[in-house]
Amino acid sequence: DAKTTQPPSMDCAEGRAANLPCNHSTISGNEYVYWYRQIHSQGPQYIIHGLKNNETNEMASLIITEDRKSSTLILPHATLRDTAVYYCIVPGGSNYKLTFGKGTLLTVNP
Amino acid sequence: NAGVTQTPKFRILKIGQSMTLQCAQDMNHNYMYWYRQDPGMGLKLIYYSVGAGITDKGEVPNGYNVSRSTTEDFPLRLELAAPSQTSVYFCASSYMNTEAFFGQGTRLTVV
Repeated sequence: DAKTTQPPSMDCAEGRAANLPCNHSTISGNEYVYWYRQIHSQGPQYIIHGLKNNETNEMASLIITEDRKSSTLILPHATLRDTAVYYCIVPGGSNYKLTFGKGTLLTVNP
Repeated sequence: NAGVTQTPKFRILKIGQSMTLQCAQDMNHNYMYWYRQDPGMGLKLIYYSVGAGITDKGEVPNGYNVSRSTTEDFPLRLELAAPSQTSVYFCASSYMNTEAFFGQGTRLTVV
């Protein structure tokens, strides 16, 4: 798996955009970038994934740099319910082994 | 669709006892995973499977066994439970390189 690096924690004001960075400089050409989040002690929840192009869905946007060595997850209007640990994952190899790093604890403040 | 179903939700086990954590999915996913999450820590991959009859070790397989006789089920077996296995266990499934769905977890305490 390509190693990913994320800041351990970030703060964001409610209603503002939250921009969560992820570095994956060893990513190979056919590997996707996935984002999940875990709210308190619930099971992780899928957010979005992408290969080269920027992606957007009802939850978030994913911006991937042209060299694919880093990406940013954007929550356009963060709410208190978005407080969670966010994981950036690059599952590699033919076996698609899905391993989680330490992630970024995003705290949305009122 | 029920998604990923884990049973039981809670269990207290005595040291040395054995048990099986059940995981079932009804989405016809070929990939299935077992994780453990200790308090305040991240998820660690125990075992995973890429299809019926195929399993492989993850990051922390010691003390656990798995089998995958059907596409739907992926049970996790604990033999000789130890206090170090006190954790929350999550099962997940996915279809190749698509989103993974997680169960609600099994909280296991070994005393």
